[in-house]
Amino acid sequence: QVQLQESGPGLAKPSETLSLTCTVSGGLMSNSYWAWIRQPAGKALEFVGRIHSTGSINYNPSLKSRLTVSLDTSKNQFSLNLKSVTAADTAVYYCARQRAQIAARPDCFDPWGQGILVTVSS
Amino acid sequence: DVVMTQSPLSLPVTPGEPASISCRSSESLLHSNGYNYLDWYLQKPGQSPQLLISLGSNRASGVPDRFSGSGSGTDFTLKISRVEAEDVGLYYCMQGLKNPVTFGGGTKVEI
Repeated sequence: QVQLQESGPGLAKPSETLSLTCTVSGGLMSNSYWAWIRQPAGKALEFVGRIHSTGSINYNPSLKSRLTVSLDTSKNQFSLNLKSVTAADTAVYYCARQRAQIAARPDCFDPWGQGILVTVSS
Repeated sequence: DVVMTQSPLSLPVTPGEPASISCRSSESLLHSNGYNYLDWYLQKPGQSPQLLISLGSNRASGVPDRFSGSGSGTDFTLKISRVEAEDVGLYYCMQGLKNPVTFGGGTKVEI
């Protein structure tokens, strides 16, 4: 049973880079999509970006200029780097597997990690 | 972006009674493959979201059969046939047809 766990600093300073890692256990990362989703306090969920095991990437256009998602299958990990952060980037960040049930087309997120709160503050 | 609109925002429920949540998308979520790229998630208090329903009506593994999803195109419904106390939390719909993936604003279900 696949499980995901986010890790990284819980605090980032404005204008700096936020870096998070998601470690996948209980399964291989091959033939799957791996995604980041965030949730500001009291607000709805927001898709950040995803990467396929082949290296194909999709970013939320609203974050694309600041975002890098990468994959290290040898470590069973994928990562998020968001540069030039502001207070608006304060959120709980979740990593998740995005399944592809029909013809390798990505659909639902399952499972999710427990989430990590990142606060952007000086 | 595809806008997902849920109603109601808050839903008081009574254990043993049915409940229903509506989700409407600004564009059709029906793919040419015949599937609607609409999912439902439940976020219980203090937890991460968990998948309930995928592709409009497919119940996820381990999800009780009191949960069901229906609809096509732009109008979707999540139904709970008989609410249990453990069903409280925030329910979200999500579209996965177009990038970026977008979520509804959530419906808070409380006893």
